[in-house]
Amino acid sequence: GAVVSQHPSWVICKSGTSVKIECRSLDFQATTMFWYRQFPKQSLMLMATSNEGSKATYEQGVEKDKFLINHASLTLSTLTVTSAHPEDSSFYICSARDLSTGYNEQFFGPGTRLTVL
Amino acid sequence: RKEVEQDPGPFNVPEGATVAFNCTYSNSASQSFFWYRQDCRKEPKLLMSVYSSGNEDGRFTAQLNRASQYISLLIRDSKLSDSATYLCVVNRATGANNLFFGTGTRLTVIP
Repeated sequence: GAVVSQHPSWVICKSGTSVKIECRSLDFQATTMFWYRQFPKQSLMLMATSNEGSKATYEQGVEKDKFLINHASLTLSTLTVTSAHPEDSSFYICSARDLSTGYNEQFFGPGTRLTVL
Repeated sequence: RKEVEQDPGPFNVPEGATVAFNCTYSNSASQSFFWYRQDCRKEPKLLMSVYSSGNEDGRFTAQLNRASQYISLLIRDSKLSDSATYLCVVNRATGANNLFFGTGTRLTVIP
């Protein structure tokens, strides 16, 4: 199957700093990528849909000015958590669809575990 | 009401047992259905899609009942390596193919 990478895999930062997470599709082009967040013992929650070359679409309750998304190329989307606070500590996972297959499967990155002190 | 609901478990079963998970979804217009597997502190991985006629992949059988908005996963001859959290996932009928995840059902297969 298609491969999606994320970087970094884990990050610890101080409250008030910004953290950038990269999501890359390694062997396919992804016009659409998705960003999810998962708190302990909870389900994955879609935060936003990232579209190459256009603005991201945010889910209700997700602050677009706090979670900045940039999808500058067909293989890279970035999520920046601005002015991070302890309540932003979570597991952030991206996914991408390989449109060339025609299937509706999303391939997930390995996730980034963010801890804000 | 949540988009997708699952019994969180945990299910603790002996090796070789048969175990079944159920899931219900609230949006009757949903079109695509999946079971994903998630190991601890890892990303979800697609286990199988769920088709209207039901489908089987080795020891795994998935069923869909659109009238009842109900999805099931049956695992036969459980292996230790089946221990994981199983996520019921539904695709919204409109929009950008967003996936809605259940909270998952935790399975532990005991030697």
